[in-house]
Amino acid sequence: AQTVTQSQPEMSVQEAETVTLSCTYDTSENNYYLFWYKQPPSRQMILVIRQEAYKQQNATENRFSVNFQKAAKSFSLKISDSQLGDTAMYFCAFMSYAGKSTFGDGTTLTVKP
Amino acid sequence: GAVVSQHPSWVICKSGTSVKIECRSLDFQATTMFWYRQFPKQSLMLMATSNEGSKATYEQGVEKDKFLINHASLTLSTLTVTSAHPEDSSFYICSARDQPPALQETQYFGPGTRLLVL
Repeated sequence: AQTVTQSQPEMSVQEAETVTLSCTYDTSENNYYLFWYKQPPSRQMILVIRQEAYKQQNATENRFSVNFQKAAKSFSLKISDSQLGDTAMYFCAFMSYAGKSTFGDGTTLTVKP
Repeated sequence: GAVVSQHPSWVICKSGTSVKIECRSLDFQATTMFWYRQFPKQSLMLMATSNEGSKATYEQGVEKDKFLINHASLTLSTLTVTSAHPEDSSFYICSARDQPPALQETQYFGPGTRLLVL
């Protein structure tokens, strides 16, 4: 069974600054996907960024980038130039090739003006 | 991007009644849909995996007779909470996976359904 650990229940950052959310996971599988999702107060899950485990290159999506360390089973999310709209709960998720997902407990991020 | 809808978005029911929640993939076919439960400020817990045309696979600890799942078509899965009780009150989220699995493998989430059992 897979486990996903987010060790930071809450974080805050000043607007325009950079923040990194940590995530570690445990699996015996070699091929899988990793995701970061954002859940604002509306509770709609929004995909932020995805990473295929077989790719060594770290994924980037505009202000969002990841630091994927497969050997260390680490998958952190960096948000640059933080905006007020980034305030939300962020979930790290592992998905097997079969499609079954395991989520971390989440990190509540607050961007302060 | 792919869109998943859920209906209803919000339901209040009396204890002992049954509630049906629909999950639809609007612009793609989904051979696999997933049902999650989420309590306030907590993570998503997978309840079951729903495959079109076959029986759902339930996670350990989830009562299959309590939470009936039907995946009758490639675009519709339903979750029925039977004989609902206050402890079933929660936020239920479905997600759907492309068929065939796209190169950009991911899951698309519905907006969720808030269930309150009085």
